[in-house]
Amino acid sequence: DVKVTQSSRYLVKRTGEKVFLECVQDMDHENMFWYRQDPGLGLRLIYFSYDVKMKEKGDIPEGYSVSREKKERFSLILESASTNQTSMYLCASRLPGGTTEAFFGQGTRLTVV
Amino acid sequence: AQSVTQLDSHVSVSEGTPVLLRCNYSSSYSPSLFWYVQHPNKGLQLLLKYTSAATLVKGINGFEAEFKKSETSFHLTKPSAHMSDAAEYFCVVPGGDSSYKLIFGSGTRLLVRP
Repeated sequence: DVKVTQSSRYLVKRTGEKVFLECVQDMDHENMFWYRQDPGLGLRLIYFSYDVKMKEKGDIPEGYSVSREKKERFSLILESASTNQTSMYLCASRLPGGTTEAFFGQGTRLTVV
Repeated sequence: AQSVTQLDSHVSVSEGTPVLLRCNYSSSYSPSLFWYVQHPNKGLQLLLKYTSAATLVKGINGFEAEFKKSETSFHLTKPSAHMSDAAEYFCVVPGGDSSYKLIFGSGTRLLVRP
C-alpha cells in the first residue's frame, strides 16, 4: 500500500520557535508538495519540489522554507513560528504528468501559542 | 488557465438517499479531473479520477462521476448515502501554469442525517 507519512499528527509550538515538519513517501515520486488548510480558505500551496534539491514557491511561501535532500523526504520549516501559522499542514506526492493523482499524508495539526 | 468551481459549500442528505456534489471546470483542453474525500482531521483520499478513457468513472465506496464536456461538469454521485460518507469533498484539476500543480475546488461538506 502506497504511503505518505507525516512525522506528527499534532504539534504545539511556541511563538518564535523553529519548527520542522517532516514528510516521507515510499512511492519514488519526483514531485512533493506542502499545503496548508484553513477553514474558509481551502488548500493553499506553500512550496513544491520536482526533484531532489529543487523547489519552487507556491502561493503562500512567506515565513516558510523547505528542504529536499533525498527523493523520499520533503521537509517544511517554519523559521520563526507565529500564531498565524496555526493550521493543518498536508504533504502530498505524485508522479510527473497531468493525469497522475496525488497521494496525501494524514496531516499535521500545528498550534502555535 | 485551469480552474474548478464547486457549486455547493454544504450538502445535506438523509441516509439512504442519493448524493449529488457538483463540480464545474474551466480548461482550454480536455483535462484530467479528480475527486478527493477528507474525513475530519485526516488527509485527503482519492475517490476517483477521470483521464479521458471513459466519461463515466467509478470510484471507491460506491461513488461515481460523469465527465460532460458540453456542460464542463464532473459531478460526483452516489445512489444511497451512508453515515460514513459524511466528510468534505474536493474536486481537483491539474494545471495552473505548471502541470506540477493541482488546482483545488473550495470543497463541499456533506452532512448525512440519520
